[in-house]
Amino acid sequence: GAVVSQHPSWVICKSGTSVKIECRSLDFQATTMFWYRQFPKQSLMLMATSNEGSKATYEQGVEKDKFLINHASLTLSTLTVTSAHPEDSSFYICSARKSPDYSSQFFGPGTRLTVL
Amino acid sequence: AQTVTQSQPEMSVQEAETVTLSCTYDTSESDYYLFWYKQPPSRQMILVIRQEAYKQQNATENRFSVNFQKAAKSFSLKISDSQLGDAAMYFCAYSGGNKLVFGAGTILRVKS
Repeated sequence: GAVVSQHPSWVICKSGTSVKIECRSLDFQATTMFWYRQFPKQSLMLMATSNEGSKATYEQGVEKDKFLINHASLTLSTLTVTSAHPEDSSFYICSARKSPDYSSQFFGPGTRLTVL
Repeated sequence: AQTVTQSQPEMSVQEAETVTLSCTYDTSESDYYLFWYKQPPSRQMILVIRQEAYKQQNATENRFSVNFQKAAKSFSLKISDSQLGDAAMYFCAYSGGNKLVFGAGTILRVKS
């Protein structure tokens, strides 16, 4: 199989604090991981593309200093929401690509972030 | 830039009946992939079916099949013998390179 996990599955934090979300490919190596944001009953919005060992590529309008992405190994990427505010509350989903074949993208179960 | 359009915000189908979800896309590329993903209430994204643009034959996965019309840039999903477990949000997606581009989604309700 191709399993992707995310931790935590949900988190509540106070405004102004930072939150880290982990995305792991459990049974394969992922050279590329993607981070999405999804509001209720809306589509997935790509935030950034993360390549192992290099800087993430952010989509237009996504603040790179606010959403820090680190792809430290072939099985782990992290998203840190810095100085979180209530408007950052959302559902964050990661996906991992198994190989250069861009058809093989596998999704994590998502993380619900609530900022009070 | 590539775009994906799903014009049906919501659809309903009676259990055991057939339903078709619509999707159109816009691209200038000739080689790409198209996907249908299912997102149930758990919010886990599940790949339903995929189609390579260079293949003329429509993809089929059990009760799920697509009608891929490359010239019309249309990629509809047909669900046969609908089941209660098919109720979910369905996303059409395009990939021509590094990333997936998603449509707005269609909520499918299945009536018993």
